[in-house]
Amino acid sequence: GAVVSQHPSWVICKSGTSVKIECRSLDFQATTMFWYRQFPKQSLMLMATSNEGSKATYEQGVEKDKFLINHASLTLSTLTVTSAHPEDSSFYICTVGSGVRIEQYFGPGTRLTVT
Amino acid sequence: QKEVEQNSGPLSVPEGAIASLNCTYSDRVSQSFFWYRQYSGKSPELIMSIYSNGDKEDGRFTAQLNKASQYVSLLIRDSQPSDSATYLCAVKTYNTDKLIFGTGTRLQVFP
Repeated sequence: GAVVSQHPSWVICKSGTSVKIECRSLDFQATTMFWYRQFPKQSLMLMATSNEGSKATYEQGVEKDKFLINHASLTLSTLTVTSAHPEDSSFYICTVGSGVRIEQYFGPGTRLTVT
Repeated sequence: QKEVEQNSGPLSVPEGAIASLNCTYSDRVSQSFFWYRQYSGKSPELIMSIYSNGDKEDGRFTAQLNKASQYVSLLIRDSQPSDSATYLCAVKTYNTDKLIFGTGTRLQVFP
């Protein structure tokens, strides 16, 4: 399967600051990447679809001005949590995949804690 | 009705037994089906994919798909304590890259 990395693996930041999370596809040219969020003991929630070279598509209820996504190349997508608040503390995970039948592979995730 | 439904569990089975995990989905045009395993504090790991009706076996895992009844299942033979995790069912519909996830079933395998 595809090898996906995320950086950082965990981050602690103060309320009001911004945090950037990187998702890299190491062996696969990913035209599409997906960003998920998972709160403790809850299921995955798709936040947005990141498309290389174009604007991201956000799911209903996700603030696009708060969660900035940039997919500048076929191997890198970034998620920036702007003006983070404690309620943004969560596990953020990206996946890589394209096409109708190709499987999606998750990155290892980034645990964000906002104090 | 949720798009992808799973029993949240926990499903408790003894070591060596067969664990049976079930998933139903509502969209009839769904074409691709996946099972992910997620250990506590970790990201999901793809363990099985299935695209056509019938069974697909990979080691101790067997995925079963019945499109007419709109369900997909995962059987784990010779369950081990290391199989204890949450199993997520995911469905991809036609002409989209998005996966729709169920809420997951927590499996506990006791020695």
